[in-house]
Amino acid sequence: GAVVSQHPSWVICKSGTSVKIECRSLDFQATTMFWYRQFPKQSLMLMATSNEGSKATYEQGVEKDKFLINHASLTLSTLTVTSAHPEDSSFYICSAPGTDNSPLHFGNGTRLTVT
Amino acid sequence: QKEVEQDPGPLSVPEGAIVSLNCTYSNSAFQYFMWYRQYSRKGPELLMYTYSSGNKEDGRFTAQVDKSSKYISLFIRDSQPSDSATYLCAMSPYNAGNMLTFGGGTRLMVKP
Repeated sequence: GAVVSQHPSWVICKSGTSVKIECRSLDFQATTMFWYRQFPKQSLMLMATSNEGSKATYEQGVEKDKFLINHASLTLSTLTVTSAHPEDSSFYICSAPGTDNSPLHFGNGTRLTVT
Repeated sequence: QKEVEQDPGPLSVPEGAIVSLNCTYSNSAFQYFMWYRQYSRKGPELLMYTYSSGNKEDGRFTAQVDKSSKYISLFIRDSQPSDSATYLCAMSPYNAGNMLTFGGGTRLMVKP
């Protein structure tokens, strides 16, 4: 079945630095990928839709200059958290629909801790 | 009022019990209904996918959709400790891979 790989699985960084998270579709092409954020014991919150070859679409309230998304190929989307602050600490999860708009397949998430 | 409501739990049951997880929703345009299971510190994994109303069974899992009542359910038979996880319902009006609205998740604990 469709597999989405996300890397790294966890990262600790200092306040003010930037962190890049990669999301790959391993056995299928994904023109669209979705980035979610999840706080403890809460559901997934959609941050942005990543579109191959064009700009990402951000949800209301998500700072596009802080959360940079690049979808340079049909199998790779990246999320860069710029100038990270402790309040950016969270669980970030990417996903992609399978072929023929089949249900979303999720990566295993990245736990970001900003100190 | 949230568009998709889901009891957060936690729901604690003994091993072997039948578990019923539910979501209600307000948007009558939803046609695609999914259930995801999420273990702690992992991404959600797809369990069941249903289009429109009806039932679908896969092993110990049964998904039911009642569009007239705007109510969906996931039943787990012969629950196992390995079923302990958070269960998220998700739905979309257009297709199963886009414009998903998630419930808040129900945390299930199956005790041996």
